[in-house]
Amino acid sequence: EAQVTQNPRYLITVTGKKLTVTCSQNMNHEYMSWYRQDPGLGLRQIYYSMNVEVTDKGDVPEGYKVSRKEKRNFPLILESPSPNQTSLYFCASSLSSQGAGGYTFGSGTRLTVV
Amino acid sequence: SQKIEQNSEALNIQEGKTATLTCNYTNYSPAYLQWYRQDPGRGPVFLLLIRENEKEKRKERLKVTFDTTLKQSLFHITASQPADSATYLCALDDNYGQNFVFGPGTRLSVLP
Repeated sequence: EAQVTQNPRYLITVTGKKLTVTCSQNMNHEYMSWYRQDPGLGLRQIYYSMNVEVTDKGDVPEGYKVSRKEKRNFPLILESPSPNQTSLYFCASSLSSQGAGGYTFGSGTRLTVV
Repeated sequence: SQKIEQNSEALNIQEGKTATLTCNYTNYSPAYLQWYRQDPGRGPVFLLLIRENEKEKRKERLKVTFDTTLKQSLFHITASQPADSATYLCALDDNYGQNFVFGPGTRLSVLP
């Protein structure tokens, strides 16, 4: 089944403890992206990648890192999480950045930083 | 500054009526515009894409229009059903198709 897989689905962590949220797609998509979604603020883009080894900042990149060493994986790294990074996170992929076939989203990761 | 607005945060309509949702944008020149459906706690699901040179696109009970002069897209659901209740997001490409940015969404409730 064509899908974007995020792990974990739920995560509670403490301030300052490094964490990684994984994202993997099995559709050979070139384009991948990370979003956070907060009530009243909608989907805000964190980082995106148009292909292997090519990443760019979105609207809210502060406090996050990404890497794209291989086409299928696009992990999101929080080096020192803070409570304001408590949010619902989504990974998405698309065949091309022009999104002609639309973005395929993962099921989401609900992160709580205490 | 760049902005994407969707007509209202919430919209209630009666079953069987046509729902019309609006997406307006400022200081973008999109070549593509997409519409998504999102259910609570789930990822958005792609519905339709319309290109700047297309005035209208249809898919089953869905219709999307795109007016680059008005800088507006309209999303219609005809013969609406309670199962259509969800949040609907528009997204448009930023920087010549390099990337898509999302509007805040409209929460649609179809009342039986």
